[in-house]
Amino acid sequence: AQTVTQSQPEMSVQEAETVTLSCTYDTSESDYYLFWYKQPPSRQMILVIRQEAYKQQNATENRFSVNFQKAAKSFSLKISDSQLGDAAMYFCAYNGGGADGLTFGKGTHLIIQP
Amino acid sequence: EAQVTQNPRYLITVTGKKLTVTCSQNMNHEYMSWYRQDPGLGLRQIYYSMNVEVTDKGDVPEGYKVSRKEKRNFPLILESPSPNQTSLYFCASRVGLANEQFFGPGTRLTVL
Repeated sequence: AQTVTQSQPEMSVQEAETVTLSCTYDTSESDYYLFWYKQPPSRQMILVIRQEAYKQQNATENRFSVNFQKAAKSFSLKISDSQLGDAAMYFCAYNGGGADGLTFGKGTHLIIQP
Repeated sequence: EAQVTQNPRYLITVTGKKLTVTCSQNMNHEYMSWYRQDPGLGLRQIYYSMNVEVTDKGDVPEGYKVSRKEKRNFPLILESPSPNQTSLYFCASRVGLANEQFFGPGTRLTVL
């Protein structure tokens, strides 16, 4: 079974600084999909960014980018110019392309210091 | 508006009293899933469905049932709830295998 590990239960960053959230996963698949979801205090799950394993280029969405290292099975999220609205739980998730859904990590609580 | 809806949003019940949490999506998605979220454990999949009348167990299916009689609806049934099923529940759907999941707003369930 696939596993997703987020080793940082909590991270803190100053507003306007850059922060990186780490994620590693374990799989024997060669094609799969990785996601970062944000969960603010409202509890809504919001997609931040996705990465297809067959793409070598790292995905970017405005201030959010990933560092995808397929051989190392690492998928970190970098948030540039952190804003107060970025404060949330962040979940890394894996999907092997099958009918089953996502395997999630346990999450990282991101605190933004004003 | 494309969305996944869940009802109720909050529910407090007692041990053993059967309950159903409804989930509906208006995006004509094939795939739907139920997750539970517990502190320190992230989200764990309970059941998923590939299409009408096709469902399968996820990682934590014990104590739950689902059905998929219509493409848009995927209710979660707790026949005899117990306190260890107190959790935040999410329904999600996606259009294809490679696509991201769209999540409902969550249902906070407390079993006394």
